[in-house]
Amino acid sequence: GAGVSQTPSNKVTEKGKYVELRCDPISGHTALYWYRQSLGQGPEFLIYFQGTGAADDSGLPNDRFFAVRPEGSVSTLKIQRTERGDSAVYLCASSQVGSGEQYFGPGTRLTVT
Amino acid sequence: AQSVTQLGSHVSVSEGALVLLRCNYSSSVPPYLFWYVQYPNQGLQLLLKYTTGATLVKGINGFEAEFKKSETSFHLTKPSAHMSDAAEYFCAVKIGGSEKLVFGKGTKLTVNP
Repeated sequence: GAGVSQTPSNKVTEKGKYVELRCDPISGHTALYWYRQSLGQGPEFLIYFQGTGAADDSGLPNDRFFAVRPEGSVSTLKIQRTERGDSAVYLCASSQVGSGEQYFGPGTRLTVT
Repeated sequence: AQSVTQLGSHVSVSEGALVLLRCNYSSSVPPYLFWYVQYPNQGLQLLLKYTTGATLVKGINGFEAEFKKSETSFHLTKPSAHMSDAAEYFCAVKIGGSEKLVFGKGTKLTVNP
């Protein structure tokens, strides 16, 4: 079956602009996660959804970052007033809660100029 | 807070040689432990996981890892390296009731002919 998909694969934006990154999880997976991977680092947790609600958003760095999952499937990560430090690969993962296995998408590479 | 340490940001082996990638974690409660592999410009792929039970875990592509509680380690091994094993490897931990993964900084494996 289809894996986790993310769009766009690459996004270049100017400092101060607003961006949206989309994630389509594996069908039937109730849990969805966003991570951010900076150059030379491992992925860092941003937010976790169980169904439609954010169960843990402790990793969001500040209030410029927001994510939604209105119908419990597709999720959008929204970044306002982008800064050069936001440049990274944003990874999405999904899983069945309790399985312990998160399946990752290919990521969106965000570059803020 | 839990953390993951991967010793050696770069490891180089010859084709056919033993692969040993080191991972140590800090946690006051029994963790779930994972190894992921990331090929260039691709998402993370789960290699293997430890949750409970047998401490020696076998994964895909001939990799295995052993959970050693006394050493708080979960080192990844493969008896004979193949050129196709060249990639970046990430160790991750999931603690208790939290669903998020905490990743190490990664080890880039180079396989020389």
